[in-house]
This record gives sequence, structure tokens and C-alpha cells, in this order.
Amino acid sequence: EAQVTQNPRYLITVTGKKLTVTCSQNMNHEYMSWYRQDPGLGLRQIYYSMNVEVTDKGDVPEGYKVSRKEKRNFPLILESPSPNQTSLYFCASSFSPGQAPNTEAFFGQGTRLTVV
Amino acid sequence: GEDVEQSLFLSVREGDSSVINCTYTDSSSTYLYWYKQEPGAGLQLLTYIFSNMDMKQDQRLTVLLNKKDKHLSLRIADTQTGDSAIYFCAERVHDYKLSFGAGTTVTVRA
Repeated sequence: EAQVTQNPRYLITVTGKKLTVTCSQNMNHEYMSWYRQDPGLGLRQIYYSMNVEVTDKGDVPEGYKVSRKEKRNFPLILESPSPNQTSLYFCASSFSPGQAPNTEAFFGQGTRLTVV
Repeated sequence: GEDVEQSLFLSVREGDSSVINCTYTDSSSTYLYWYKQEPGAGLQLLTYIFSNMDMKQDQRLTVLLNKKDKHLSLRIADTQTGDSAIYFCAERVHDYKLSFGAGTTVTVRA
């Protein structure tokens, strides 16, 4: 079954304690991205990756890091989490840009992160 | 800049049609999309329309695009309880940039 898998689904952590949210896709997609969803703001892109070892910043990259060492995995790293990073996070993957429908077609189920 | 706006809530009676509206600002957008998010789930791509089209129909879903007014709408015919969800409008500004609206929560009442 084609899917994007995120772990963990729920996480409560303390300020400053490094954490990693994993994301894996089984569709051999080149493009992957991370979003955060906040009430009244919709989804905002954090980082995206066009292919292995190729990443770039989205709209809200501050406080986050990513890596793309393998095609299937795109972990999101919070080196020193702060309360304003409390949010719902989604990983997504898609067909290559330029190929219809040219969008994030598959989303993970989300990771609800609370930083206290 | 890219700003996608949509109303936050819509209540509709079961069996009626739902119409969700969206406005966008970037006239260079190539594709526009509608996503559905059910409780506790990720986003599901519902349908999309290319910017040179005015209308697209897919079973109970009809997308209308008014490029002059930068207005996009999603009509759901014969709305069912399973259509209760948050619906997001999004525009593709360039290959790596997708801008989302804040989402419209649709509640279907019996």
C-alpha cells in the first residue's frame, strides 16, 4: 500500500530537548516536504527536498533541520525545541515537480508535538 | 505575495449541496487544489484544476475557477455525513511552493 509514515504520532517534550520526527515513503518519490499546521493559519511549509542530499527552506524553517540521506526518508529535527513549535506536523511526498498534478499527493497522518 | 483565503466554517444539511469558496492572489499559479482532512488524519488530495480551465467535474465534486476574480470554488453535490471534514484550498505558485488557505470546516447536519 502506498503510504507516508510518520513517527511518533504524539509527542510531549520539554524545552531544549532535541527530538527527531521520522518520515518514510514507499513510493520512490523524489520530492518530500514538511509542513506545520496551526489553527487559523492552514499549512505552512518548513523544508522541502527535491532529491537525495538536496534540501531547501520553506516559509518557516527557523528552529528546524532536515536531512535526506536516502530517497525514502526525510526526518525533521528540532535541535532545541521551544513552546512556539507546539503544532501538528505533516510530512508529504509527491511526484516530481512539473508532472501533473504537480502537488503533494500523499500526506502522513501527522505528529502532534507539544513543547512545555 | 501568495495569500489564499477561505471562510472558516460551513454548515450544510445532509442531501443539500455544499459550496466552499476560496480566493487567491498569485495570478501566475499553474494549478489550484482542494484537499480534505478528516479528524486525526493527514490531507487527502480531492481534486485539482489547471489554470487554463474554467471548470472540472469529478463525480459529486465540481470545481469552478474564475481567473479574472482569482476565485476558486468547490461544490459537493448531495452532501453526506462522510463529507464532514476540513477542506483546504491551495495554489501552486512555482514548482516547490504550495500555499494553503486556513481551511473551511464543513459540518453536515441531519
